[in-house]
Amino acid sequence: DAGITQSPRHKVTETGTPVTLRCHQTENHRYMYWYRQDPGHGLRLIHYSYGVKDTDKGEVSDGYSVSRSKTEDFLLTLESATSSQTSVYFCAITPQDSYEQYFGPGTRLTVT
Amino acid sequence: RKEVEQDPGPFNVPEGATVAFNCTYSNSASQSFFWYRQDCRKEPKLLMSVYSSGNEDGRFTAQLNRASQYISLLIRDSKLSDSATYLCVVNNYGQNFVFGPGTRLSVLP
Repeated sequence: DAGITQSPRHKVTETGTPVTLRCHQTENHRYMYWYRQDPGHGLRLIHYSYGVKDTDKGEVSDGYSVSRSKTEDFLLTLESATSSQTSVYFCAITPQDSYEQYFGPGTRLTVT
Repeated sequence: RKEVEQDPGPFNVPEGATVAFNCTYSNSASQSFFWYRQDCRKEPKLLMSVYSSGNEDGRFTAQLNRASQYISLLIRDSKLSDSATYLCVVNNYGQNFVFGPGTRLSVLP
């Protein structure tokens, strides 16, 4: 157990509304990631963080923003949700000096 | 061509069978390699890191062939509990992880 939780676990929202997903970790890992997973695609990186207030874009960052004001929390925000953002969102961490990733339980987001 | 490709599957095998999955990657500079398993509607879980010398963990054996740019996973004596989707993951540099689409395995009684 990598001590990663995600909230909410399920959410249904309407197009155009803002949505924030939270990832929380308890072990002070420096690196945190947000991925989305869709049928027909592997997991795709949205954004990642390498420390408090240090973030960078991934492969599919358009329409998403992130924030990390504390080591333990990494927030993913959809400023104005669209139906194409309906997906399962996973948060992940990598321990220090490792490239092994450990994932949270995921958030199922449906945008209607 | 996708950066990481896997056997399309699904693989349906009887209990006790040996099954092998293959994964190819296109970036010759790739540095680290992993196999994850993902159960339906669950998060991916690390199964094994893959080392150049190959590595074994119980019934699972992973091999890396850098010259041919492929990774394999062998599962011996398949159990019903091995039914899952197996993901090949490649790290190219820094935080650039590339996930394959996965191969689904069903172990049948």
